[in-house]
Amino acid sequence: EAQVTQNPRYLITVTGKKLTVTCSQNMNHEYMSWYRQDPGLGLRQIYYSMNVEVTDKGDVPEGYKVSRKEKRNFPLILESPSPNQTSLYFCASSLRSGGVDTQYFGPGTRLTVL
Amino acid sequence: GQQVMQIPQYQHVQEGEDFTTYCNSSTTLSNIQWYKQRPGGHPVFLIQLVKSGEVKKQKRLTFQFGEAKKNSSLHITATQTTDVGTYFCLSGNTGKLIFGQGTTLQVKP
Repeated sequence: EAQVTQNPRYLITVTGKKLTVTCSQNMNHEYMSWYRQDPGLGLRQIYYSMNVEVTDKGDVPEGYKVSRKEKRNFPLILESPSPNQTSLYFCASSLRSGGVDTQYFGPGTRLTVL
Repeated sequence: GQQVMQIPQYQHVQEGEDFTTYCNSSTTLSNIQWYKQRPGGHPVFLIQLVKSGEVKKQKRLTFQFGEAKKNSSLHITATQTTDVGTYFCLSGNTGKLIFGQGTTLQVKP
């Protein structure tokens, strides 16, 4: 089944403890991106990747890192999480560059930073 | 940078009433997409509009792209409880994508 998977789905952590949220797609998509969703603010893009080894900042990249070593995986890294990073995170992918093709979203990761 | 403003933020309707959400941009958009997110779910693609003045229909949903390609709307005729959720517009070009803030629709049976 064609899908985008994220792990973990739920995570409660403490300030400063490094964490990684994984994202994987099995559709051979070139474009992948990360979003955070907060009430009243909608979905805001954190980072995106046009292809392997090509990543760029979205609107809210501060406090996050990403890597794209393989086409199918696009992990989101929080080196030193803070409470203001408590949010619902979505990974998405599309066949080609994001503005043209349908975005396929993962199920979401709900992160709480205490 | 590019911004897309979406209104209203919330809408409560009685089942059977119509619903409309609007997206407005300060710059010309190359295209616009619409997504629906059910409560507790993830955004799911509905449609894409590319041409100036384009109108597309999906059953009770009508999507429009403005003549100047700076605004778009989604209209639902005779809402049903299954229409509950948050509707987002999305625009972007080669990489950076911008979502509208979303309109959350509640339908009272």
